[in-house]
Amino acid sequence: QSALTQPASVSGSPGQSITISCTGTSRDVGGYNYVSWYQQHPGKAPKLMIYDVSNRPSGVSNRFSGSKSGDTASLTISGLQAEDEADYYCSSFTTSTTWVFGGGTKLTVL
Amino acid sequence: QLQLQESGPGLVKPSESLSLTCTVSGGSISTSAYYWAWIRQPPGKRPEWVGSIFYSGSTYYNPTLNSRVTMSIDTSKNQFSLKLNSVTAADTAMYYCAKTTGSNFYWGQGTLVTVSS
Repeated sequence: QSALTQPASVSGSPGQSITISCTGTSRDVGGYNYVSWYQQHPGKAPKLMIYDVSNRPSGVSNRFSGSKSGDTASLTISGLQAEDEADYYCSSFTTSTTWVFGGGTKLTVL
Repeated sequence: QLQLQESGPGLVKPSESLSLTCTVSGGSISTSAYYWAWIRQPPGKRPEWVGSIFYSGSTYYNPTLNSRVTMSIDTSKNQFSLKLNSVTAADTAMYYCAKTTGSNFYWGQGTLVTVSS
């Protein structure tokens, strides 16, 4: 199974908004509303930020939002803060009844 | 609040089997509301879904690992387990167990498994 495609890195200044894309196919991202996003700080376990495309778990800041158009899902972080600097991974369910992850995006807060 | 705790050897020799257990506390594993999953993450790499199991014992595995992986569930102990055969250095990773509903994956803290002689 092929990994979902994410940009290797994105950056933004405090207070700005950034968007991370996650591109798959009709067999995964485009076919199901089962896309999630994870934040991972160095040495820590991934933390769920968005599930089922656009839902935020309890406790996650409303600065984080998710959306999907066709085969591409997106994570937007508004009002960028220093603590948002981390690696971000997307994940999607697939037609093979499996789950696939993206290659990861390193977010740098300038 | 539901918690998941991974346990098992931190060091496994090449060609041997890796066995891990996830103990679920704060809730019953015998529920139709969730699937239970294993996910691993090699150092510096992206996470990789290993497989999922339902309380009934139905399993789904990553096709790249399918021939080497077995998952099982013990509802009497509120645990589920992973066995990966014929391991190599490429199987060195943090292994996480998780509870899943849709794409809502709730992960444990993980356990590092190193494959080395």
